[in-house]
Amino acid sequence: EPEVTQTPSHQVTQMGQEVILRCVPISNHLYFYWYRQILGQKVEFLVSFYNNEISEKSEIFDDQFSVERPDGSNFTLKIRSTKLEDSAMYFCASWDTSGTGELFFGEGSRLTVL
Amino acid sequence: AQKVTQAQTEISVVEKEDVTLDCVYETRDTTYYLFWYKQPPSGELVFLIRRNSFDEQNEISGRYSWNFQKSTSSFNFTITASQVVDSAVYFCALRPNTGFQKLVFGTGTRLLVSP
Repeated sequence: EPEVTQTPSHQVTQMGQEVILRCVPISNHLYFYWYRQILGQKVEFLVSFYNNEISEKSEIFDDQFSVERPDGSNFTLKIRSTKLEDSAMYFCASWDTSGTGELFFGEGSRLTVL
Repeated sequence: AQKVTQAQTEISVVEKEDVTLDCVYETRDTTYYLFWYKQPPSGELVFLIRRNSFDEQNEISGRYSWNFQKSTSSFNFTITASQVVDSAVYFCALRPNTGFQKLVFGTGTRLLVSP
């Protein structure tokens, strides 16, 4: 069964460092998403990406965040200068635009900022 | 604006009890999708069900059942004969059928099933 894969599964970084989280969406999907879940809280939408550009972003997705699809398969989330409050689980998702309309989530990347 | 409310923060039951997790949503869209996801302690989001707003039929899948009532904007989830492995956080989510279809999640209900 096709799946969304994310790397790394867990990353520990120092405050102020840049972090790149990687995702490989399902190959025939066209819409990609990043969501964030701070420990013990709800899952929150960060950004959606379609046709090589951001289609929608939340207020959380400020200038410290960026996304790109550098090679047609990977979909990355970059945090330029991490803050303590960026510690969270980050989920990548891709959308099946066919009849199922299913949103497939990866297993998440846990980011710990010290 | 879209909003999902899961008023139950945590529920504790003993194995074999039935338990219902409540979900109330708000949306002005006429077409939308509702979801339930399970998040076990390992952290991943496990898809359980998707329901189209046009389909108000209740659904049963093994020990799981869902009651969608558009009149009260509710999409409740019942686990029959709960098991310890059902212990997890359960999220209800709403997605419009337009735009870029971001999910709006509720705050989740933590279910603890003890032996």
